[in-house]
Amino acid sequence: DAGVIQSPRHEVTEMGQEVTLRCKPISGHDYLFWYRQTMMRGLELLIYFNNNVPIDDSGMPEDRFSAKMPNASFSTLKIQPSEPRDSAVYFCASSLTGPQHFGDGTRLSIL
Amino acid sequence: AQSVTQLDSQVPVFEEAPVELRCNYSSSVSVYLFWYVQYPNQGLQLLLKYLSGSTLVESINGFEAEFNKSQTSFHLRKPSVHISDTAEYFCAVSVATGFQKLVFGTGTRLLVSP
Repeated sequence: DAGVIQSPRHEVTEMGQEVTLRCKPISGHDYLFWYRQTMMRGLELLIYFNNNVPIDDSGMPEDRFSAKMPNASFSTLKIQPSEPRDSAVYFCASSLTGPQHFGDGTRLSIL
Repeated sequence: AQSVTQLDSQVPVFEEAPVELRCNYSSSVSVYLFWYVQYPNQGLQLLLKYLSGSTLVESINGFEAEFNKSQTSFHLRKPSVHISDTAEYFCAVSVATGFQKLVFGTGTRLLVSP
């Protein structure tokens, strides 16, 4: 079975640019989560969806961050404009009725 | 709200030695508890979970963890580690009504040397 697929695996861009991270959850899973991992703050839940609807976005740090889930098989996390402090590894995870399954993450570097 | 404390940021150990990674949690309601493992440049993989029932839970690769409600702990143990166990280990908690809002500890890096 294919796991959670994230793209790109690495992204390097300059400050001020728009960044879009993509996630394909495991087929049939109805929950999708976006996390950010940094050395300073560890793993933080940014937002999660249920049946494509955002349920809790209280972890989204600023209005520069937005997330969408247009259908059950695709989600995006967008940062516009990006800043150096957004540099982190961003994980997507999905679940059905059990524990979350994580993708391999996107390592984002904002110069 | 729930919280998780992993007191050890790094645990060095020799191959074939036993290891314990400590995890304590705080919650006013019943919880589910998890251990995830993260290998370099990979996502988190579920190692084992406690939902209910037997307080001792085991993984397929020799790890075990025991839920201790009185001490609010969920320590991870392995009697004999391998080089391949070198990774970051995260303890996590969620309220026992679902798996949605996981709260993670800061992680413990297990370093196994020959």
